Amino acid sequence: QVQLVQSGAEVKEPGASVKVSCQASGYTFKTYAVHWVRQAPGQGLEWMGWINPGNGNTKYSQKFQDRVTISRDTSASTAYMELTSLRSEDTAVYYCAKGGIVSIHYFDYWGQGTLVTVSS
Amino acid sequence: QSALTQPRSVSGSPGQSVTISCTGTSSDVGGYNSVSWYQHHPGKAPKLLIYDVAKRPSGLPDRFSGSKSGNTASLTISGLQAEDEADYYCCSYAGSYTFVFGGGTKLTVL
Repeated sequence: QVQLVQSGAEVKEPGASVKVSCQASGYTFKTYAVHWVRQAPGQGLEWMGWINPGNGNTKYSQKFQDRVTISRDTSASTAYMELTSLRSEDTAVYYCAKGGIVSIHYFDYWGQGTLVTVSS
Repeated sequence: QSALTQPRSVSGSPGQSVTISCTGTSSDVGGYNSVSWYQHHPGKAPKLLIYDVAKRPSGLPDRFSGSKSGNTASLTISGLQAEDEADYYCCSYAGSYTFVFGGGTKLTVL
């Protein structure tokens, strides 16, 4: 069965960087997109960007364009999301999600979420 | 990209139907048949309910249905059940390989 397992919770100081991993299993990793979505406390879901694991191509939301890097290690079936210059507003649960089978335009499986807390 | 507009909350009694709207622009909702809907219970991973406006993943009850008219998409949940109480989010393709979510709607089952 399809599973996306994310790395554990992180606490970071303002100005630092965080890198969250998402290990996929149960499907051919290189075939389907991996997206990253976050939810700040009391807020809604926010799309951050995605990677095509097959060729490494990425696309980011304009909001995060300057601070986010999504990468992948196909040998480990793992995608990564690194966010730099962290500020308190980046405190959120970060999710990875697999792109759909019929098209890339939806997310059919999600990771369990990783809480990133930014605090001094 | 601005978030799609959803009502902050809706409610209904068990057995009733509720509809949640999701309003965007011609650059997202209105421009593509690529609206999806997610159910999110706090502390759990979101769950796909609808994709490509009106398609259901296999195994999902047909109590959940989607539609679109112009720049507004809708999710209808019929035969409300207690376990349907959750947050619901729409998401649309917004062109140039980008996506945008709605602000979310809290469904209360009375």
